[in-house]
Parts: sequence; C-alpha cells; structure tokens
Amino acid sequence: EPEVTQTPSHQVTQMGQEVILRCVPISNHLYFYWYRQILGQKVEFLVSFYNNEISEKSEIFDDQFSVERPDGSNFTLKIRSTKLEDSAMYFCASSRIYQETQYFGPGTRLLVL
Amino acid sequence: KNEVEQSPQNLTAQEGEFITINCSYSVGISALHWLQQHPGGGIVSLFMLSSGKKKHGRLIATINIQEKHSSLHITASHPRDSAVYICAVQGNYGGSQGNLIFGKGTKLSVKP
Repeated sequence: EPEVTQTPSHQVTQMGQEVILRCVPISNHLYFYWYRQILGQKVEFLVSFYNNEISEKSEIFDDQFSVERPDGSNFTLKIRSTKLEDSAMYFCASSRIYQETQYFGPGTRLLVL
Repeated sequence: KNEVEQSPQNLTAQEGEFITINCSYSVGISALHWLQQHPGGGIVSLFMLSSGKKKHGRLIATINIQEKHSSLHITASHPRDSAVYICAVQGNYGGSQGNLIFGKGTKLSVKP
C-alpha cells in the first residue's frame, strides 16, 4: 500500500542553523501539508501546497519557513534559522483531492539545542 | 477558545468494554476526521465524514452537523486499541484549502 515517507526520522540541530525536512507524498496525490506537534500539545497546521504553490498558511508559518517541491516526488520544509521553540514533531501529509482522507508520514522529530 | 473540543481527555477501560469519545466544534466545516496516534507518534486516519455514520470493523463514527458534534465508538475494546484518538475538522470558511484543525486528543488505555 502506498505511504507517505519522511526523512530524517530524527534531527538535532543548533539554534540558528538551517534545517530541511523531506517528505515523499503518495504519488498520485495533489495536495500536500505540513503539520507540527510540540511535545505534549495538539497537532497544528503549518502550510498547505497545491499546484506548485502555497494555498494556505498559518500564523506559525512565518518568514523563517519555506516549502518547495523541487522535483516530481519530494516535498520539503525548510526552517532558515531554527529557534528553541521550533523543537517539535513535524508531520507531512498528502491527499488526492481537497476534501479527502489525508495520509500522514511517520514524522520527523526535530530538536533544537 | 478551542475550535475543536474533545472529551474525555483520558479514558481507561477494561478489555471488552464499549467506548465513546466525543468531539464538539465551533466552526463551519466541510468534513470531520478521526485520527489515531500511537505512542511512537505516527498518525493514522480512521474516518473522514461529512454526514451520518461510518463503520469500519469495531469502529463507528457518527456526526450531527446541526449540533456540531461527532462521536467515535469502539466496540469490544482491546488493549491494542490503546492510543490517542484525535478529532480534526476541515473548515469551509473562505480561503480554507483542506487544512485540519485538531482537537487535543483523547488518550485511551484499555486494560486486559
């Protein structure tokens, strides 16, 4: 069964460093999402992406964040200058169409020291 | 104010019990999702519904659009059902493109 994959599974970085989180959505899906979950808190929406552009973003998704679909398969989230409060689990998700089941990747646990 | 409220926050049950988890929301929605998050953190979609009722195995999800309320039921619960169950809604307000608004989750523990 097709699944969303994410790399790396864990990443430790120093404050101020850039990180890139990678996702491979399910191949025939058109909508892509990034969510994050700070430890002990609820999952929060970051950004949605469709037709090679951002379709919606939350207040969390400020100028330090960017997303890209560099080729036909990868979907990346870049954090330019990490802060301590960026430490969280980051989930990528994809869906075939707008109003359909979203399939989540296993997550990348990011720790900023 | 949270847009999605779940109850209870924590639930402990004995194996075989019938379990109900409730979700109320305050925004207009196009769909409601029930998700399962295991201790390792992975999230699995259980149901997406916009009206009525859906059933999959021992799981049943219902939604009442007028009352802005949904329930997730687990029949004949089993220790392997132990997980966090999350309610999430897709808004239908202007500009919304399918992103989910999540509840805080209900942590279920089923004892053998």
